[in-house]
Amino acid sequence: QKEVEQDPGPLSVPEGAIVSLNCTYSNSAFQYFMWYRQYSRKGPELLMYTYSSGNKEDGRFTAQVDKSSKYISLFIRDSQPSDSATYLCAMSEGSARQLTFGSGTQLTVLP
Amino acid sequence: DAGVTQSPTHLIKTRGQQVTLRCSPKSGHDTVSWYQQALGQGPQFIFQYYEEEERQRGNFPDRFSGHQFPNYSSELNVNALLLGDSALYLCASSFRGMNTEAFFGQGTRLTVV
Repeated sequence: QKEVEQDPGPLSVPEGAIVSLNCTYSNSAFQYFMWYRQYSRKGPELLMYTYSSGNKEDGRFTAQVDKSSKYISLFIRDSQPSDSATYLCAMSEGSARQLTFGSGTQLTVLP
Repeated sequence: DAGVTQSPTHLIKTRGQQVTLRCSPKSGHDTVSWYQQALGQGPQFIFQYYEEEERQRGNFPDRFSGHQFPNYSSELNVNALLLGDSALYLCASSFRGMNTEAFFGQGTRLTVV
């Protein structure tokens, strides 16, 4: 079993839809949780970064962490075609510890 | 302000050869981490360099080695290349060993034939 599980998709939604992306994990020592966006043939770009449980909002993006369930989510409101990319969750045990990534979810937002 | 830069962008090597990939961190950053991303997979941590020393290492064989220079740039070396080493190699930079706000380069696409 992988430490971080992520539904690979692909996920296809119409423009303006609310998108929900999720990851589950098995390592209870994870404390830092991140979401990256990766466009085709590009490096990952940091979208959201949260520590421990709770919610964090940034524009159209909301990240949620539920450590009791070992489950994290990224919500995208009013999705745009430019949001079409692969979304990667990443976690670490400490701020200086290595990142462990999920396998990514491929999202397509249709105009 | 230049972000993380990697060179070359693409590379084709023959099985058994050796390869060197290069990374310059984002301005103000002093820590470099290397990741391997196979097609359709998430990045896997190879190792991290801070203050010119390898600080952490993932589950990769000794064929993978690295170096960090006084200007914080870094190299990743892979010896005795295998077909399975074909992947996108990503460099991430951060400050003072903190990985949680790491910035990634565009990667080097290595193909081993």
